[in-house]
Amino acid sequence: KNEVEQSPQNLTAQEGEFITINCSYSVGISALHWLQQHPGGGIVSLFMLSSGKKKHGRLIATINIQEKHSSLHITASHPRDSAVYICAVTFFFPSQKLVFGQGTRLTINP
Amino acid sequence: NAGVTQTPKFQVLKTGQSMTLQCAQDMNHEYMSWYRQDPGMGLRLIHYSVGAGITDQGEVPNGYNVSRSTTEDFPLRLLSAAPSQTSVYFCASTLSRGRDNEQFFGPGTRLTVL
Repeated sequence: KNEVEQSPQNLTAQEGEFITINCSYSVGISALHWLQQHPGGGIVSLFMLSSGKKKHGRLIATINIQEKHSSLHITASHPRDSAVYICAVTFFFPSQKLVFGQGTRLTINP
Repeated sequence: NAGVTQTPKFQVLKTGQSMTLQCAQDMNHEYMSWYRQDPGMGLRLIHYSVGAGITDQGEVPNGYNVSRSTTEDFPLRLLSAAPSQTSVYFCASTLSRGRDNEQFFGPGTRLTVL
């Protein structure tokens, strides 16, 4: 079964801390997406990657294809980073549909 | 561009009522999809479309119908609403299926079925 697992499910940290959210998947993928959802809000795409590393501002996403693992890092975290972060993957088989993890709820306290 | 738009934002239905959730995108995207989001579960695919006139079922299609008469619009119909369909519904689009393109999501519709 094609599965996506995220950890931790919940994460609370103090402003300024370095944050890491992990995502593991079961079989080969063509792409991995990191999404952000603020409370009561819509879903925004942060990154799409199939290899290596991408950086946007204080956000960094990495993927290790051999380990079937990706991480999302937030440097110098801020209360406005508080949101649910969702990992989603496109598996090679049986189709190109997205499969989502359950999300990680991040709370950054001032 | 308005991106992906959804209406309504909130809706309360009684069991047995029918309604249509509207979704539209102005980015000329081929691939559109509907998801539902429930507490403790990841987003689950209801139906999707790879282009005008072509739709297919996702993971949880029962109780829902879709059609795609134009590239822009992808409405989701609840035929006879049930309390189990209480959820937040998201419409999404991407440039095309089979290529790894950025996903764009609508703002969501929060549906309560009494």
